[in-house]
Amino acid sequence: SAVISQKPSRDICQRGTSLTIQCQVDSQVTMMFWYRQQPGQSLTLIATANQGSEATYESGFVIDKFPISRPNLTFSTLTVSNMSPEDSSIYLCSVDRASRETQYFGPGTRLLVL
Amino acid sequence: GQQLNQSPQSMFIQEGEDVSMNCTSSSIFNTWLWYKQDPGEGPVLLIALYKAGELTSNGRLTAQFGITRKDSFLNISASIPSDVGIYFCAGPLVGGGSNYKLTFGKGTLLTVNP
Repeated sequence: SAVISQKPSRDICQRGTSLTIQCQVDSQVTMMFWYRQQPGQSLTLIATANQGSEATYESGFVIDKFPISRPNLTFSTLTVSNMSPEDSSIYLCSVDRASRETQYFGPGTRLLVL
Repeated sequence: GQQLNQSPQSMFIQEGEDVSMNCTSSSIFNTWLWYKQDPGEGPVLLIALYKAGELTSNGRLTAQFGITRKDSFLNISASIPSDVGIYFCAGPLVGGGSNYKLTFGKGTLLTVNP
């Protein structure tokens, strides 16, 4: 498995502001992903963070709202822009280290937007 | 699209009882993954299945990859209070590019009464 950390672990933000979430892995990985888990719900993939190129977004998610950076093989950021209360969720990063279609998750960032 | 139907939605059991939950899909999956999510944490990978018919154990947990490739089950034997949490099945979306994007079931909430 991989050791994955996320910062911040939680935050309370005002609507209209933006928050950048960091994901750090203890070793180089090929694939990094960002998920959203709304209260009481399952996980939904936001995008795949590609190293050296633009992220690949899933249907319903756009770069202007969720800009993603992947400057190297161990780090990625997700920004939640112009937040509204509907953005209150847990945001999770994951990595595919074994290259066998198996993903390992970070501890998550709990976001509450007021 | 490829969706996973996970059941039951929730379970309330007594300590020491065995537990069984399953996931089904109308589409074929090449990999089945089972995760557990504790409150306030990210999902932790319990068991990964890569081959139809495969039966894999991890301590008191046993999971099987259905022979039709459209289903999987997870059994927990002799449950203990720390088994409490949400269990998710997941599998990589097939076709149209990367096989690494996971789709998740809606989860099974397990409560164990001491």
